[in-house]
Amino acid sequence: QVQLQESGPGLVKPSQTLSLTCTVSGDSISRGNFYWNWVRQPAGKGLQWIGRIHHTGSTNYNSSLESRVSISVDTSNNQFSLDLTSATAADTAVYYCAREEANWGLYYFDSWGQGSLVIVSS
Amino acid sequence: SSELTQDPAVSVALGQTVRITCRGDILRSYYATWYQQMPGQAPILVVYGKDTRPPGIPDRFSGSSSGDTASLTITGAQAEDEADYYCSSRDNSGSHWLFGGGTKVTVL
Repeated sequence: QVQLQESGPGLVKPSQTLSLTCTVSGDSISRGNFYWNWVRQPAGKGLQWIGRIHHTGSTNYNSSLESRVSISVDTSNNQFSLDLTSATAADTAVYYCAREEANWGLYYFDSWGQGSLVIVSS
Repeated sequence: SSELTQDPAVSVALGQTVRITCRGDILRSYYATWYQQMPGQAPILVVYGKDTRPPGIPDRFSGSSSGDTASLTITGAQAEDEADYYCSSRDNSGSHWLFGGGTKVTVL
C-alpha cells in the first residue's frame, strides 16, 4: 500500500520561499499513470488544490497561485516537491500531498499524506 | 462556473439518514468525488464515480448525481461519521481540481 509523507520547515519568514517534499513509499512514483498533487488547508477552512505533477515532469497549477508555485519530481528518490515563493501569512496552512489515480475514466485522490503545518511568520 | 457549492453544516440524529449536496455546473460533465475529514486528520476518499466506495468504506455511504448537483448520502448515520465532508471535481480543463467549501456533519 502506498504511503506519502510530507517534510519541510514548519516556519517560514514572510517573502521567503516555502518548500516541502513528499516522499512516496510502497510504490514507485514512476509506475502507472498517477499524478502527484499538493493540497493545502488554512486553519478552520476548506481544502485548496495547489497543483500536480506527473513523473514525466508535466505540471498543472492552480491559476490563483501559478505565478508563485513550482512542483518538481525526483524519481530516483521517489519524491516530489513544492516551492511557493514570496510567502505571506495567507500561505499559513496544513499542506498535504496526495496521489491522484485514474481508473476507467474516473479520477480521485486515493492516498494522502498526514499533512505538514507551515506557518509564515517573522 | 468553476465553483462547487456545499451547505456549511448539517445535522442528523443517530441512525437516521443525511444527504450532503454539492452543486456546480461542472458536475454536469464530471462525477463528484467525496472525502471525509476528521478533526486533525488528512481527508480520506469515501465515494468516487457514479457510486463507488474504496475498500473499507462502509456501505452506508452512497453517492448520486442529477444535473448540476451531486449528493453523498449516509444511511443510518453513526457517531463516528461526524466529520467534515468535501466534494471535489476536475474543472473544465480536465487538468485542474476544484473543492467544495465542505459540510460539517453533526450526529445528534
